[in-house]
Amino acid sequence: GQNIDQPTEMTATEGAIVQINCTYQTSGFNGLFWYQQHAGEAPTFLSYNVLDGLEEKGRFSSFLSRSKGYSYLLLKELQMKDSASYLCAVSDSNYQLIWGAGTKLIIKP
Amino acid sequence: ETGVTQTPRHLVMGMTNKKSLKCEQHLGHNAMYWYKQSAKKPLELMFVYSLEERVENNSVPSRFSPECPNSSHLFLHLHTLQPEDSALYLCASSHTFGTGYNEQFFGPGTRLTVL
Repeated sequence: GQNIDQPTEMTATEGAIVQINCTYQTSGFNGLFWYQQHAGEAPTFLSYNVLDGLEEKGRFSSFLSRSKGYSYLLLKELQMKDSASYLCAVSDSNYQLIWGAGTKLIIKP
Repeated sequence: ETGVTQTPRHLVMGMTNKKSLKCEQHLGHNAMYWYKQSAKKPLELMFVYSLEERVENNSVPSRFSPECPNSSHLFLHLHTLQPEDSALYLCASSHTFGTGYNEQFFGPGTRLTVL
Protein backbone atom coordinates (compact mmCIF):
# COMPACT_ATOMS: atom_id res chain seq x y z
CA GLY A 1 0.00 0.00 0.00
CA GLN A 2 0.89 3.65 -0.15
CA ASN A 3 1.93 5.40 3.02
CA ILE A 4 3.12 8.81 4.16
CA ASP A 5 4.45 9.18 7.72
CA GLN A 6 5.07 12.40 9.59
CA PRO A 7 5.04 13.25 13.30
CA THR A 8 1.64 14.12 14.74
CA GLU A 9 2.75 17.16 16.72
CA MET A 10 5.87 19.22 17.39
CA THR A 11 6.59 22.15 19.68
CA ALA A 12 9.22 24.83 19.12
CA THR A 13 10.18 28.23 20.46
CA GLU A 14 9.75 31.55 18.70
CA GLY A 15 12.94 32.52 16.88
CA ALA A 16 14.26 28.95 16.78
CA ILE A 17 14.58 26.40 13.95
CA VAL A 18 12.41 23.31 13.51
CA GLN A 19 12.65 20.37 11.11
CA ILE A 20 9.53 18.39 10.17
CA ASN A 21 10.26 14.99 8.68
CA CYS A 22 8.24 13.01 6.17
CA THR A 23 8.86 9.46 4.95
CA TYR A 24 6.94 7.88 2.12
CA GLN A 25 6.26 4.62 0.33
CA THR A 26 4.28 5.10 -2.85
CA SER A 27 3.66 3.42 -6.18
CA GLY A 28 5.70 5.74 -8.34
CA PHE A 29 6.98 9.21 -7.60
CA ASN A 30 6.29 12.43 -9.44
CA GLY A 31 7.30 14.90 -6.79
CA LEU A 32 6.71 15.79 -3.16
CA PHE A 33 4.72 18.76 -1.89
CA TRP A 34 4.54 20.57 1.43
CA TYR A 35 1.42 22.53 2.35
CA GLN A 36 0.62 24.70 5.35
CA GLN A 37 -2.84 24.66 6.91
CA HIS A 38 -3.85 27.06 9.65
CA ALA A 39 -6.70 25.90 11.87
CA GLY A 40 -10.03 26.35 10.13
CA GLU A 41 -8.44 27.41 6.86
CA ALA A 42 -7.55 25.89 3.49
CA PRO A 43 -4.17 24.28 2.86
CA THR A 44 -1.74 26.55 1.00
CA PHE A 45 1.24 25.48 -1.08
CA LEU A 46 4.73 25.86 0.39
CA SER A 47 7.13 23.85 -1.76
CA TYR A 48 7.69 21.18 -4.39
CA ASN A 49 10.68 18.84 -4.74
CA VAL A 50 11.19 16.34 -7.52
CA LEU A 51 15.00 16.11 -7.57
CA ASP A 52 17.26 15.27 -4.64
CA GLY A 53 18.57 18.16 -2.64
CA LEU A 54 17.57 21.28 -0.82
CA GLU A 55 15.19 23.95 -2.10
CA GLU A 56 15.29 27.22 -0.19
CA LYS A 57 12.52 29.78 -0.17
CA GLY A 58 12.97 32.52 2.40
CA ARG A 59 12.64 31.17 5.93
CA PHE A 60 11.39 27.82 4.63
CA SER A 61 13.50 25.10 3.00
CA SER A 62 12.55 21.63 1.80
CA PHE A 63 14.84 18.65 1.28
CA LEU A 64 14.33 15.45 -0.67
CA SER A 65 16.13 12.11 -0.83
CA ARG A 66 14.37 9.84 -3.31
CA SER A 67 16.58 6.83 -2.55
CA LYS A 68 15.59 7.03 1.13
CA GLY A 69 11.95 7.99 0.55
CA TYR A 70 12.52 10.96 2.83
CA SER A 71 11.87 14.65 2.94
CA TYR A 72 11.99 17.38 5.54
CA LEU A 73 10.66 20.90 5.85
CA LEU A 74 12.97 23.29 7.68
CA LEU A 75 11.51 26.44 9.22
CA LYS A 76 13.93 29.10 10.44
CA GLU A 77 13.44 32.17 12.64
CA LEU A 78 10.09 30.83 13.80
CA GLN A 79 7.26 33.27 14.25
CA MET A 80 4.01 32.82 16.14
CA LYS A 81 2.13 32.88 12.82
CA ASP A 82 3.96 29.68 11.83
CA SER A 83 1.74 27.78 14.26
CA ALA A 84 -0.17 25.54 11.85
CA SER A 85 -0.36 22.02 10.49
CA TYR A 86 2.18 21.07 7.83
CA LEU A 87 1.07 18.50 5.28
CA CYS A 88 3.40 16.31 3.25
CA ALA A 89 2.02 14.88 -0.01
CA VAL A 90 3.53 12.73 -2.77
CA SER A 91 2.39 12.66 -6.39
CA ASP A 92 2.19 8.97 -7.30
CA SER A 93 2.43 7.15 -10.62
CA ASN A 94 -1.10 8.33 -11.52
CA TYR A 95 -0.30 11.92 -10.52
CA GLN A 96 -2.66 11.65 -7.57
CA LEU A 97 -1.52 13.27 -4.35
CA ILE A 98 -1.12 10.86 -1.45
CA TRP A 99 -1.24 12.85 1.78
CA GLY A 100 0.21 12.45 5.23
CA ALA A 101 -1.99 13.16 8.24
CA GLY A 102 -0.09 16.39 8.90
CA THR A 103 2.18 17.67 11.65
CA LYS A 104 0.70 20.18 14.06
CA LEU A 105 3.40 22.72 14.92
CA ILE A 106 2.98 24.68 18.14
CA ILE A 107 5.15 27.77 18.59
CA LYS A 108 5.75 29.00 22.13
CA PRO A 109 6.99 32.50 23.04
CA GLU B 1 -14.22 36.81 -6.08
CA THR B 2 -10.75 35.38 -6.42
CA GLY B 3 -9.23 31.95 -5.97
CA VAL B 4 -11.47 29.03 -5.05
CA THR B 5 -14.78 29.58 -3.29
CA GLN B 6 -17.07 27.05 -1.65
CA THR B 7 -20.64 27.25 -0.44
CA PRO B 8 -22.06 26.65 2.05
CA ARG B 9 -19.29 26.98 4.62
CA HIS B 10 -21.25 24.97 7.17
CA LEU B 11 -23.98 22.38 6.63
CA VAL B 12 -25.97 20.26 9.06
CA MET B 13 -28.17 17.60 7.52
CA GLY B 14 -30.14 14.57 8.53
CA MET B 15 -29.45 11.14 7.08
CA THR B 16 -32.50 11.33 4.82
CA ASN B 17 -31.78 14.78 3.39
CA LYS B 18 -30.43 15.66 -0.04
CA LYS B 19 -28.04 18.58 -0.30
CA SER B 20 -25.34 19.87 -2.64
CA LEU B 21 -21.96 21.46 -2.10
CA LYS B 22 -20.76 24.02 -4.61
CA CYS B 23 -17.25 24.97 -5.64
CA GLU B 24 -16.17 27.69 -8.05
CA GLN B 25 -12.68 28.55 -9.20
CA HIS B 26 -11.71 31.89 -10.70
CA LEU B 27 -8.19 30.90 -11.72
CA GLY B 28 -8.75 29.61 -15.24
CA HIS B 29 -7.70 26.10 -14.21
CA ASN B 30 -8.61 22.93 -16.07
CA ALA B 31 -8.67 20.42 -13.20
CA MET B 32 -10.82 20.32 -10.09
CA TYR B 33 -10.86 18.02 -7.07
CA TRP B 34 -13.01 17.00 -4.13
CA TYR B 35 -11.27 15.95 -0.91
CA LYS B 36 -12.56 14.74 2.45
CA GLN B 37 -10.64 15.84 5.54
CA SER B 38 -11.40 14.11 8.84
CA ALA B 39 -9.73 15.01 12.12
CA LYS B 40 -6.19 13.64 12.43
CA LYS B 41 -6.51 11.71 9.15
CA PRO B 42 -4.85 12.32 5.78
CA LEU B 43 -6.73 14.16 3.10
CA GLU B 44 -8.72 11.64 1.06
CA LEU B 45 -9.06 12.30 -2.64
CA MET B 46 -12.65 11.62 -3.69
CA PHE B 47 -12.97 12.81 -7.28
CA VAL B 48 -10.87 14.45 -9.97
CA TYR B 49 -12.15 16.23 -13.06
CA SER B 50 -9.92 17.30 -15.91
CA LEU B 51 -11.44 19.39 -18.69
CA GLU B 52 -14.87 18.56 -17.27
CA GLU B 53 -14.30 14.81 -17.57
CA ARG B 54 -14.05 12.63 -14.47
CA VAL B 55 -10.63 11.01 -14.40
CA GLU B 56 -10.54 9.42 -10.97
CA ASN B 57 -13.13 7.99 -8.59
CA ASN B 58 -11.41 6.52 -5.60
CA SER B 59 -13.97 3.98 -4.42
CA VAL B 60 -16.31 6.61 -3.07
CA PRO B 61 -19.77 5.45 -1.90
CA SER B 62 -22.56 6.20 -4.34
CA ARG B 63 -24.25 8.48 -1.80
CA PHE B 64 -21.70 11.05 -3.02
CA SER B 65 -22.31 12.16 -6.60
CA PRO B 66 -20.08 14.73 -8.33
CA GLU B 67 -21.01 17.02 -11.17
CA CYS B 68 -18.78 19.27 -13.26
CA PRO B 69 -20.89 21.36 -15.67
CA ASN B 70 -17.92 23.44 -16.83
CA SER B 71 -14.27 23.94 -15.94
CA SER B 72 -15.08 26.62 -13.35
CA HIS B 73 -17.74 24.84 -11.35
CA LEU B 74 -17.86 21.62 -9.37
CA PHE B 75 -20.69 20.21 -7.30
CA LEU B 76 -20.93 17.38 -4.80
CA HIS B 77 -24.45 16.04 -4.43
CA LEU B 78 -25.17 14.33 -1.13
CA HIS B 79 -27.99 11.92 -0.26
CA THR B 80 -28.71 9.44 2.53
CA LEU B 81 -25.42 10.19 4.25
CA GLN B 82 -24.15 8.49 7.40
CA PRO B 83 -22.84 10.14 10.57
CA GLU B 84 -19.31 8.98 9.68
CA ASP B 85 -19.50 11.21 6.60
CA SER B 86 -19.25 14.23 8.88
CA ALA B 87 -16.01 15.98 7.89
CA LEU B 88 -14.53 18.99 6.16
CA TYR B 89 -15.02 18.76 2.39
CA LEU B 90 -12.39 20.64 0.45
CA CYS B 91 -12.47 21.62 -3.18
CA ALA B 92 -9.25 22.33 -5.06
CA SER B 93 -8.19 23.28 -8.56
CA SER B 94 -4.97 23.12 -10.55
CA HIS B 95 -3.80 24.31 -13.92
CA THR B 96 -3.79 20.78 -15.34
CA PHE B 97 -3.98 17.17 -14.20
CA GLY B 98 -1.39 14.57 -15.04
CA THR B 99 1.86 16.44 -14.58
CA GLY B 100 4.37 16.33 -11.74
CA TYR B 101 4.44 19.94 -10.64
CA ASN B 102 0.78 20.55 -10.22
CA GLU B 103 0.14 23.00 -7.42
CA GLN B 104 -3.38 22.71 -6.10
CA PHE B 105 -5.30 25.72 -4.82
CA PHE B 106 -7.85 24.94 -2.13
CA GLY B 107 -11.13 26.49 -1.18
CA PRO B 108 -11.99 27.15 2.49
CA GLY B 109 -14.07 23.99 2.73
CA THR B 110 -17.57 23.03 3.81
CA ARG B 111 -17.88 21.74 7.36
CA LEU B 112 -20.51 18.98 7.09
CA THR B 113 -22.30 17.47 10.08
CA VAL B 114 -24.64 14.51 9.54
CA LEU B 115 -27.07 13.88 12.35
